[in-house]
Amino acid sequence: QVLLQESGPGLVKPSQTLSLTCTVSGASVSSGLYYWSWIRHLPGKGLEWIGYIYYSGYTYYNPSLRSPVTISLDTSQNQFSLRLSSVTAADTAVYYCARMGYTNGLLTHFDYWGQGTLVTVSS
Amino acid sequence: IVLTQSPGTLSLSPGETATLSCRASQSVSSSYLAWYQQKPGQAPRLLIYGASTRATGIPDRFSGSGFGTDFSLTISRLEPEDFAVYFCQQYGDSSQYTFGQGTKLEIK
Repeated sequence: QVLLQESGPGLVKPSQTLSLTCTVSGASVSSGLYYWSWIRHLPGKGLEWIGYIYYSGYTYYNPSLRSPVTISLDTSQNQFSLRLSSVTAADTAVYYCARMGYTNGLLTHFDYWGQGTLVTVSS
Repeated sequence: IVLTQSPGTLSLSPGETATLSCRASQSVSSSYLAWYQQKPGQAPRLLIYGASTRATGIPDRFSGSGFGTDFSLTISRLEPEDFAVYFCQQYGDSSQYTFGQGTKLEIK
C-alpha cells in the first residue's frame, strides 16, 4: 500500500519561505519508476499543480507560478520536499504531495495522494 | 485548458445513478483525462484515468466516458460511501496539468 504524508509548518509569514516534506511509504522515491508531485488547493479556487521531481533530481515546474519553487529529494529518508520562496497571502492553500501515473508512457495523472496540509501565509 | 464541471452540487439518493460532467475549453486527448474522489479530511483517490480506465480497486459502479471536450463520470447504484467531491483533471501540452473545480455529490 502506497502512502504519502505531508508535514511542515502550518503558518508562514509573508516574504518568508514555505517548506514542506512528503514522506513516502510502500514505494521508493529512488526507484526510477515514478515521478513525484506537489499540488495545492487554493481557497475558493481549484487545484493547481506545482511541479514534479524524478529520482535523478530532474524537476519540472508549473511556469504560471509566481513564487520561486524548488522541489528536492531525500532518498535516505524516502522523502521529497517543496520550497516556495517569498510567499504572499495568495500562497495560502492546502498542499498535497502525490505520485504520478503513466498512460501510454506519458505522465498523465496522480495515482496516490497525501491527505494534504493547510499552510496559511499571514503575519 | 480550462475544465468546467457541472453541476456544482448534485443531490441524489442511495441506489440512484449519478452523472457528472467535465467540459474542456479545448479538445483533450481521451488518454489524458482523469477523475478523482475526495472525502473530507482524506486524500483524493484516483478513480478513472485515460477517460475510461478504472484505477486499481475501483468498483465497476464507476465508469468514465467521453472524448474531445465533453467527458462524464457515471456512478451507478449509489452507495452511502460515494457521497463526496469529485473532480476531473487533464494533462496537456508542455506537461501542464489542470483540474476542474469539482462537483459535490450529496445525499438527498
